[in-house]
Amino acid sequence: DQQVKQNSPSLSVQEGRISILNCDYTNSMFDYFLWYKKYPAEGPTFLISISSIKDKNEDGRFTVFLNKSAKHLSLHIVPSQPGDSAVYFCAASEETSGSRLTFGEGTQLTVNP
Amino acid sequence: DGGITQSPKYLFRKEGQNVTLSCEQNLNHDAMYWYRQDPGQGLRLIYYSQIVNDFQKGDIAEGYSVSREKKESFPLTVTSAQKNPTAFYLCASSIGQGTGRGYTFGSGTRLTVV
Repeated sequence: DQQVKQNSPSLSVQEGRISILNCDYTNSMFDYFLWYKKYPAEGPTFLISISSIKDKNEDGRFTVFLNKSAKHLSLHIVPSQPGDSAVYFCAASEETSGSRLTFGEGTQLTVNP
Repeated sequence: DGGITQSPKYLFRKEGQNVTLSCEQNLNHDAMYWYRQDPGQGLRLIYYSQIVNDFQKGDIAEGYSVSREKKESFPLTVTSAQKNPTAFYLCASSIGQGTGRGYTFGSGTRLTVV
């Protein structure tokens, strides 16, 4: 039972353009969502998060949007840079009950110069 | 500098052998986790521990074993019972009991069965 899904295994964009990575979830109890970035042969690093009481969180070039009714979140990167090329994982948890993270399958983003 | 260290970075195992992957953290985190990454399958949880001397099975625990004798250490043993052990293994830790916030990951161990 895949509770967090990233339906696009890969995404390719031009440098300077917007990258939009999508994530869907099925568990309505999830109340905290995170995005991690992972380079090859390295561990994931935390990028940005959002609580279910918000619908948007912004940090520099990165913005995460949450649509609770659709059980959907997205990560926007503007402008995209070649150094953003990595695998991006969406993750979710039931923060109020102290549950562990559930990860999506990941999306490989390639930003072309 | 506080962090989480996994060793070795690359590991080769013959079929039928057990092998132990090391994970050490000096972040004073209570919770520790082991994940496995396979292409197209994201991160799957093998085992996790919320406090010393206690651990729980994750989604794919069969063929693996762990111990948590010290707060800083959470070694993972891949046994000969694990049918497809070749993968990238990631260890993580977090401040609270199972909290989704603040997972810190190690740099991973690539295990290859030869």
